Amino acid sequence: AQSVTQLGSHVSVSEGALVLLRCNYSSSVPPYLFWYVQYPNQGLQLLLKYTTGATLVKGINGFEAEFKKSETSFHLTKPSAHMSDAAEYFCAVSVQGAQKLVFGQGTRLTINP
Amino acid sequence: DAGITQSPRYKITETGRQVTLMCHQTWSHSYMFWYRQDLGHGLRLIYYSAAADITDKGEVPDGYVVSRSKTENFPLTLESATRSQTSVYFCASSASTDTQYFGPGTRLTVL
Repeated sequence: AQSVTQLGSHVSVSEGALVLLRCNYSSSVPPYLFWYVQYPNQGLQLLLKYTTGATLVKGINGFEAEFKKSETSFHLTKPSAHMSDAAEYFCAVSVQGAQKLVFGQGTRLTINP
Repeated sequence: DAGITQSPRYKITETGRQVTLMCHQTWSHSYMFWYRQDLGHGLRLIYYSAAADITDKGEVPDGYVVSRSKTENFPLTLESATRSQTSVYFCASSASTDTQYFGPGTRLTVL
């Protein structure tokens, strides 16, 4: 069975600082990995995904994530935080050919001016 | 408009009442999903459907019923609502084996 752990339920950074949101997964077979963002009172929006191929994945709004099989990680980064990045971020895993996503608990990102 | 919609967006009901949450998508996606979102738990899968008339249980199906007579609709029914079913419910759809697209959510309060 797959599982996801997001380290830190709340992360706070200053505007312009590096954003790093951590995600570790557990999967017995090659995973598909996703980051979704949820703005207040809205549904989830896909930021980026890794399925196969290049392990460094670029997404929308300047975010990127790197799949590291040896570390079972898929951390999300952005070089310079913007106030509009304040939201909740969810990491999720599925397996190839399967449809069910397993989500982490979420990380609330706060940006300080 | 194209996309995935949920109705109602907000619902308050009482313990023991039946409640149906609606989900409609215009993409003709094969797969549809219902999740609930609770603080500290992220999103948990309630039920999913691979096609019309094909449904299967997710992680937390107890107390919920689904049907899918048409590809575009996937209603979720709480047959006898309980306070523990107070949550935000998200519907999602997918055409393939990866990206799921989410609706705006329904905030349900059971008194």
